Amino acid sequence: NAGVTQTPKFRILKIGQSMTLQCTQDMNHNYMYWYRQDPGMGLKLIYYSVGAGITDKGEVPNGYNVSRSTTEDFPLRLELAAPSQTSVYFCASSYSWSGRDNEQFFGPGTRLTVL
Amino acid sequence: GEDVEQSLFLSVREGDSSVINCTYTDSSSTYLYWYKQEPGAGLQLLTYIFSNMDMKQDQRLTVLLNKKDKHLSLRIADTQTGDSAIYFCAEIRGSGGYQKVTFGTGTKLQVIP
Repeated sequence: NAGVTQTPKFRILKIGQSMTLQCTQDMNHNYMYWYRQDPGMGLKLIYYSVGAGITDKGEVPNGYNVSRSTTEDFPLRLELAAPSQTSVYFCASSYSWSGRDNEQFFGPGTRLTVL
Repeated sequence: GEDVEQSLFLSVREGDSSVINCTYTDSSSTYLYWYKQEPGAGLQLLTYIFSNMDMKQDQRLTVLLNKKDKHLSLRIADTQTGDSAIYFCAEIRGSGGYQKVTFGTGTKLQVIP
């Protein structure tokens, strides 16, 4: 199993540009998550999904959109990039939402810079 | 407060013990977790503890839970240079429906040879 894969690894955007961060998992997990990680701030949940066709907002959803058309894929869309969206983005998945089965498996991250 | 709090930085000498502390927020959290993030990588689950336990030991790792003070700690015995990483504690918040995992701010552990 490849686990959770993310592309691209790095990206530089200009203010106002759009892009999609790709995330795929091959573990047949129902639950998927997008986080952003800023220095000294830990991880903030952007969006999550509990299954194909179902998504919901996390703590910091503004400026982002997601879709979940398949179990495997959970892309994150930035429509109008802003400098405040400069961050490292992690996708994760888990088998369930509770207890031990909530172990989240993380992708390697996408480092995004908006100039 | 809302945040799961950790100190930002810890430096220890190789061979010493490291203790990383965490204060969480939800007294009804059923599971608490420790994740490790190595440079340039995503987080990986290190260990977890169920809320009805006070302590859990797993090889060099010891997790202590004080529910009264909502305090969680991770002790790493005989710390090695390979233990240098950022360590995140995490709690489960909420009840019923979707229970969200909330991560702490992370503690960067530096191991000096």
